[in-house]
Formats: sequence, C-alpha cells, structure tokens
Amino acid sequence: QVQLQESGPGLVKPSDTLSLTCTVFGDSIGSFFWTWIRQPPGKGLEWIGYIHSGGSTDSNPSLKSRVIISVDTSKNQFSLRLNSVTAADTAVYYCARELAIGGYRFDPWGQGTLVTVSS
Amino acid sequence: EIVLTQSPGTLSLSPGERATLSCRASQYVSGNYLAWYQQKPGQAPRLLIYATSNRAAGIPGRFSGSGSGTDFTLTISGLEPEDFAVYYCQQYGHSPRFTFGGGTKVEIK
Repeated sequence: QVQLQESGPGLVKPSDTLSLTCTVFGDSIGSFFWTWIRQPPGKGLEWIGYIHSGGSTDSNPSLKSRVIISVDTSKNQFSLRLNSVTAADTAVYYCARELAIGGYRFDPWGQGTLVTVSS
Repeated sequence: EIVLTQSPGTLSLSPGERATLSCRASQYVSGNYLAWYQQKPGQAPRLLIYATSNRAAGIPGRFSGSGSGTDFTLTISGLEPEDFAVYYCQQYGHSPRFTFGGGTKVEIK
C-alpha cells in the first residue's frame, strides 16, 4: 500500500522560499506522476504542479514563475520549492500520486503539512 | 481555465436521506474526466469517484457518480453518520492541468 509523507518547515518568512519534501513509501516512485496541491485555511483546493519520475514537470500558470518541482528517485522523494512567498501562500500543502489510466485522479494523498508565512 | 461550480454550498440532511451534489463546468470536461473527493476536518481528501462514475477501491456502493459534458452529480443513496463532510469535484483539462470546485458541505440537519 502506497503512503506519502510531507516534511519541511512549518513557518516561512515573507519573501523567503518555501521548501517541502514528499517521501513515498510502499512502492517505487518510478513510472508515476507526483503532485503538489494546497489548501488555504478554510478554503478550497488548488493544484500546484506535478513531476514525472523521468523529470517532466508542469505547474499551475498562476504559480509557474515561482514554482520548482524536482524528484530524487534514489531517495524515493519529490520536492516543492515556492519562491518569494507572501501571506497568501499560507496553506496546508499536500503531496499526492496522480493516476491517469482510466481517468485522471489523485490517490493516495499525504496527510498534509501546514505552512504559515509570517515574520 | 475550466471553472467548476459546486452547488449547493451547504446541504443539511438527516442520516438515511439521499444527498445529491452538483458540479457544473464552465466548459466541456475532456473525456468526462471528473472526480469526486471527500474531506473530513483535519484530514486529507479521499478519492471517491473517478472518470464520472467509477468508484475508487474500498468506496461503499451508496456513493455513485453520473453526468457528462459540463454537468456532473455525486449521489449518496442513504447518508451514514460518517458521510457528513465536505465534497469536492476535480477535472482534468489544460492550463491548468487540474482544477477543483469550491466544495459542498454536507451537514447533519
């Protein structure tokens, strides 16, 4: 059974870079698409971007200029970097596996990690 | 960008009642690739339905999905106490690759 676990600082200062890592347990990170999704407190879900184990990546146009997603297959991890953060980036950040065969969806999800942007 | 509008915002029902949740897209949803998720407080979303009508592994039969094009529906045939939660729809498209609806909260009446 595949499980995902987010890790990283829970507090980031404005204008700094948010850095999170997602570790995949129970299966190889190879051959799938891996995704970051966020949810501001009390609000809905926003897709941030994905990376394939082969290195191809894409991100939401609303965040594209600030987002870098990378993968480390040797550690079975993928990572998110979000530059120049503001209070609007305060959210619970989830990592998830994207499945495509039969229909595009996210399953499973990590438990999520709250990142607060504040000085 | 395809915008998903969910209605109603809140649905107040009693256990055992039928819940009907709507998700309307601003444009045609490619391949009817529309998924539904359930989220409880403090938890990550859980996949319920994908490709409009396919139940995910382990999801009870009381959950069903239907629709096509721009109009989609999630039906819970008889609400169990554990079904009171927020439900989100999600579509696969282009630029951005995925968007979510704003959510429908199903609360106990």
